[in-house]
Amino acid sequence: QVQLQESGPGLVKPSQTLSLTCTVSGGSISSDGYYWSWIRQHPGKGLEWIGYIYYSGSTYYNPSLKSRVTISVDTSKNQFSLKLSSVTAADTAMYYCARDDGSGSYYANWGQGTLVTVSS
Amino acid sequence: DTQMTQSPSTLSASVGDRVTITCRASQSISSWLAWYQQKPGKAPKLLIYKASSLESGVPSRLSGSGSGTEFTLTISSLQPDDSATYYCQQYNSYPRTFGQGTKVEIK
Repeated sequence: QVQLQESGPGLVKPSQTLSLTCTVSGGSISSDGYYWSWIRQHPGKGLEWIGYIYYSGSTYYNPSLKSRVTISVDTSKNQFSLKLSSVTAADTAMYYCARDDGSGSYYANWGQGTLVTVSS
Repeated sequence: DTQMTQSPSTLSASVGDRVTITCRASQSISSWLAWYQQKPGKAPKLLIYKASSLESGVPSRLSGSGSGTEFTLTISSLQPDDSATYYCQQYNSYPRTFGQGTKVEIK
């Protein structure tokens, strides 16, 4: 059973870059066919899809965040990462990494989430 | 983007009640809909995919139905463990989008 674990700073200053890593265990991140995604949840609010990186390295980002988002993968460490630049208080959220079912559709595997607060 | 709208936002029901949550899409998404359950401090848990397919291990008292733009999640006999927030998610198009959530409370 694949497991995902987010890590990264819990506090980021405004205008800086938020950087998070998702470590995958119980399966290879370069396995054929999986989409590795980031999803966030503002405090007390709903879920917002940020983007994915496919096992081949291709990416797709939510247009609402596209200018600030980069998702990358490090197959040697079995990790994928999120970078979100020029953050503001509106980026304060719980950030989840997730793996789809193999067709880029729904998310059967989630990390526990990591709370990132943007504040000076 | 495809907007997903859930109703109600909150519902309160008694143990044993039949509960229904509705999710409407702003455009047709065929049957490309998933439902999740989220408890406080936890990640969402997949319950149903392709509108009506039950994820392995999910109790059979939960069921999903619908296609096109209108979908429902039904709990046939509400149990204390069902107290949570439920989200729908469309995967017909990118960006993937979620409903705003329905909080289910036990009276």
